[in-house]
Amino acid sequence: SQTIHQWPATLVQPVGSPLSLECTVEGTSNPNLYWYRQAAGRGLQLLFYSVGIGQISSEVPQNLSASRPQDRQFILSSKKLLLSDSGFYLCACIRGPSNTGELFFGEGSRLTVL
Amino acid sequence: QKEVEQNSGPLSVPEGAIASLNCTYSDRGSQSFFWYRQYSGKSPELIMSIYSNGDKEDGRFTAQLNKASQYVSLLIRDSQPSDSATYLCAVINSSASKIIFGSGTRLSIRP
Repeated sequence: SQTIHQWPATLVQPVGSPLSLECTVEGTSNPNLYWYRQAAGRGLQLLFYSVGIGQISSEVPQNLSASRPQDRQFILSSKKLLLSDSGFYLCACIRGPSNTGELFFGEGSRLTVL
Repeated sequence: QKEVEQNSGPLSVPEGAIASLNCTYSDRGSQSFFWYRQYSGKSPELIMSIYSNGDKEDGRFTAQLNKASQYVSLLIRDSQPSDSATYLCAVINSSASKIIFGSGTRLSIRP
């Protein structure tokens, strides 16, 4: 079965500081990977998705970037955080071997920008 | 118009009753539809997926899809306090490139 590890689980960062959130997936190969952000009391906003190593699609213009250096590793970064970057960041992959579109989520990284 | 719309709630339902959650979507060509449950502070977990018109039942949960009306719903029978959570509707768009979520409906089951 699939497992998604995200770290750190919680972090508090000052405005203007850099960010790196990591996601690794186990139990599957060549997964489609997704980064979502959920602001407090809101739904999930798709930030980036990747269908393979080095392939990143960006959904929202912003100061965030993503990279996929290995098949099962997905990294979300920022050079300078904004207050509006606060939120719950979720990494996800497609559940199971067939691409049904069902997502399996990691436990998330909660970011507070002060 | 939002791509996927849900009433934010809260929806309050007595224990043992049927909870009905609704979702509409704007992309008429969408083919795949999902319901996720999210407890406070936790990540979403998949409850149901539905791909064709009609009803799909799984235990106490029934998903209903009407593509002509661009409407998908989730019924929870015999509601339990453990069903209290936010329920997110998700849709794969017609180009199959994105999985888009609604903002969620908060459900509260009162004893």
